[in-house]
Amino acid sequence: DARVTQTPRHKVTEMGQEVTMRCQPILGHNTVFWYRQTMMQGLELLAYFRNRAPLDDSGMPKDRFSAEMPDATLATLKIQPSEPRDSAVYFCASGLVTGTASYGYTFGSGTRLTVV
Amino acid sequence: AQSVAQPEDQVNVAEGNPLTVKCTYSVSGNPYLFWYVQYPNRGLQFLLKYITGDNLVKGSYGFEAEFNKSQTSFHLKKPSALVSDSALYFCAVRDLAASGSARQLTFGSGTQLTVLP
Repeated sequence: DARVTQTPRHKVTEMGQEVTMRCQPILGHNTVFWYRQTMMQGLELLAYFRNRAPLDDSGMPKDRFSAEMPDATLATLKIQPSEPRDSAVYFCASGLVTGTASYGYTFGSGTRLTVV
Repeated sequence: AQSVAQPEDQVNVAEGNPLTVKCTYSVSGNPYLFWYVQYPNRGLQFLLKYITGDNLVKGSYGFEAEFNKSQTSFHLKKPSALVSDSALYFCAVRDLAASGSARQLTFGSGTQLTVLP
């Protein structure tokens, strides 16, 4: 089965350190999303890309978060500097969107980030 | 703007009994509706979707959902619950009429389903 691969699965870091999360979308999918899941906020959309171009990153704190897609097989989410309130599970998802049609997205297993 | 509401944070049901996880939505146009399930320490898995056609949609693991336009609901159902169905369930909506960045999935807050043996 095709799947979205996220690394690392778990990350514990100290406040102020840089954190990089990686995602390998499913081959052929043209849309990649980054979501953050917390107990308080549920699932929040941080950013998404269509054909590697960033379309919306309004959900991200711009001063510390950045999302990129250097190529079609890799999406990255960086936090610099990290803060304890960034502790959450970060999900990457990919999907195929054509015209007005979109299909169920496939999610990765997530990166559980703990900032101490 | 599109929105999704899952009014129940927690649903408990006995094994073998029917289960319902509620979802209501708000969109300006026609909706795409989805259900996802999240098992402990796992990513979200797609269960089923409604785009058009028959209001009763059948999905994975014996789940189904009924689209009700007049009530703007898309409740998830299963005739006979299993202990292994215990998980977190998310409803999501996408507004077909939206444009640009708004044409993305909006998720509900999730409902924790616990099936008791």
